[in-house]
Amino acid sequence: AQRVTQPEKLLSVFKGAPVELKCNYSYSGSPELFWYVQYSRQRLQLLLRHISRESIKGFTADLNKGETSFHLKKPFAQEEDSAMYYCALMSGGSYIPTFGRGTSLIVHP
Amino acid sequence: KAGVTQTPRYLIKTRGQQVTLSCSPISGHRSVSWYQQTPGQGLQFLFEYFSETQRNKGNFPGRFSGRQFSNSRSEMNVSTLELGDSALYLCASSLAYGKSYEQYFGPGTRLTVT
Repeated sequence: AQRVTQPEKLLSVFKGAPVELKCNYSYSGSPELFWYVQYSRQRLQLLLRHISRESIKGFTADLNKGETSFHLKKPFAQEEDSAMYYCALMSGGSYIPTFGRGTSLIVHP
Repeated sequence: KAGVTQTPRYLIKTRGQQVTLSCSPISGHRSVSWYQQTPGQGLQFLFEYFSETQRNKGNFPGRFSGRQFSNSRSEMNVSTLELGDSALYLCASSLAYGKSYEQYFGPGTRLTVT
């Protein structure tokens, strides 16, 4: 069975500090991984997906198949990055997503 | 372009009753997915509909069902409500069926079962 683990419920940093939100997955095949974000009083939205290899709002995420991880990183956190972040996995053969429990990021001024 | 809309936004039901939730996708989107979000289990996939056909189903009992209409609007129904069905139910729409298509989420329907 596929599983996504986000070990931190809460991550608190100061503005300008680097941020790394951890995501580990278990799946034996070739997964597709995503990061979703939910800002306060807003809807859940896609932040980025690993196949795009893009940087969105300064965030990047690299799929590490050896460590089965897809950590989300940003070199300098901004207050507007404060939000709930969810890591999600879709297995190679199905379109059924599995979400992690989410990490709440708080960026202090 | 209007976003995904869900009605009602809040609902209170009693155990044993049934409930129907509605989702209107973004215009032109033909795929609709439903999710249940609870503090205990997090965000869990319920099912996805495309072209009026259920394409995928999550691990939920048969009390949870859904359908999609020809205009892509979707409803989900929960019969014989249990206290554990209290949750935020999210709907998401995408242009078509497949992993390549970005999902756009609605605001959710907060269901409370008493």
